[in-house]
Amino acid sequence: EAAVTQSPRNKVAVTGGKVTLSCNQTNNHNNMYWYRQDTGHGLRLIHYSYGAGSTEKGDIPDGYKASRPSQENFSLILELATPSQTSVYFCASGDAAVSYEQYFGPGTRLTVL
Amino acid sequence: GDSVTQTEGPVTVSESESLIINCTYSATSIAYPNLFWYVRYPGEGLQLLLKVITAGQKGSSRGFEATYNKETTSFHLQKASVQESDSAVYYCALGDTNAYKVIFGKGTHLHVLP
Repeated sequence: EAAVTQSPRNKVAVTGGKVTLSCNQTNNHNNMYWYRQDTGHGLRLIHYSYGAGSTEKGDIPDGYKASRPSQENFSLILELATPSQTSVYFCASGDAAVSYEQYFGPGTRLTVL
Repeated sequence: GDSVTQTEGPVTVSESESLIINCTYSATSIAYPNLFWYVRYPGEGLQLLLKVITAGQKGSSRGFEATYNKETTSFHLQKASVQESDSAVYYCALGDTNAYKVIFGKGTHLHVLP
């Protein structure tokens, strides 16, 4: 019963196309996060959310939008995908009241051709 | 800004050998950050390995341990005897109180040879 799930797990997109990455959590956490993981960079924060209806820019938000329609769901949207957005994307949830510990999904491998 | 620096990988050790992965942090905006080690096994997402929220304390899990040293701003990960199943990527991280964010190091890829 995985608490954070992501879909799709793998995605191949074309340059200029629209890509939506979805994340669902059953932890009932207020906070959710989107990161990308690239070799030599570790995890970099793209967008995060404090709760339904809120989205905040992280450290590298350019080229990405986020949507938090409910407590459970948090999407990352690439309106015009570019090859530089080829990466592995991780979603996470966290309860800020409990030492900022985060719970991660399995990741989505995105390739933009 | 706040940052985490850890041992550059990959790190290769043989089974039953000891391991240390260095981690130092800079927390200019946080007096007492929470410190974490996360691990990512092949094909899986990151999972919390251990955490310490009080300076001077030691955390431990699955044979790994790390001590929060505020004087040297370090949080090194150690294990006395590694197993092949410990092969994974290890991330040191600190909790940013002000912005509800966690700041991750670049990760250290550990290979344990049988």
